[in-house]
Amino acid sequence: GAGVSQSPSNKVTEKGKDVELRCDPISGHTALYWYRQRLGQGLEFLIYFQGNSAPDKSGLPSDRFSAERTGESVSTLTIQRTQQEDSAVYLCASSFPSGQTTGELFFGEGSRLTVL
Amino acid sequence: AQSVTQLDSQVPVFEEAPVELRCNYSSSVSVYLFWYVQYPNQGLQLLLKYLSGSTLVKGINGFEAEFNKSQTSFHLRKPSVHISDTAEYFCAHDSSGSARQLTFGSGTQLTVLP
Repeated sequence: GAGVSQSPSNKVTEKGKDVELRCDPISGHTALYWYRQRLGQGLEFLIYFQGNSAPDKSGLPSDRFSAERTGESVSTLTIQRTQQEDSAVYLCASSFPSGQTTGELFFGEGSRLTVL
Repeated sequence: AQSVTQLDSQVPVFEEAPVELRCNYSSSVSVYLFWYVQYPNQGLQLLLKYLSGSTLVKGINGFEAEFNKSQTSFHLRKPSVHISDTAEYFCAHDSSGSARQLTFGSGTQLTVLP
């Protein structure tokens, strides 16, 4: 498609279960970002992928969070043993290599996660 | 650490009235500033950006923002709003010039009333 695609759009899970969120970036965008948006708060950076370089995981809040990306395509964000505080909208964005453009990220619609 | 403050979480305004959404950022050597807009049930999209040059930046849909270095502000303005401008607006700051880690404000919900 033309834009960043995320799935599922909504996910309700029970505390302690694992969840997987998927992001399909815009074709040709080598940079991919995951953000978390809690209710009433700004976007919180989680992880950044750029091509085949080692990802920047500095924003991941705990070792329950992990993300993978295959080449320059789909990325999955996995949250293990979910907790209620993990409830948020998880946003994925992609962009051209960060050295070529500055700040223009293309966002998906987000995956809303609710942990009961 | 960088920080971005959006002083108003909610701004209600009547249609055709002017609006200003306020944003302040923490000072840094390099300053790259952005406004993103999120319409209901849509992803964020870039509204405008300041990278260098003129301090008055024009964006899509009639919005503009002014970079004020001395006040570390980047307020967003529109002289006459429409119902369709109802959305959440996010200010963001990047001091690295590489978009690795944009710092976002907490957002301002603009509601345009008929």
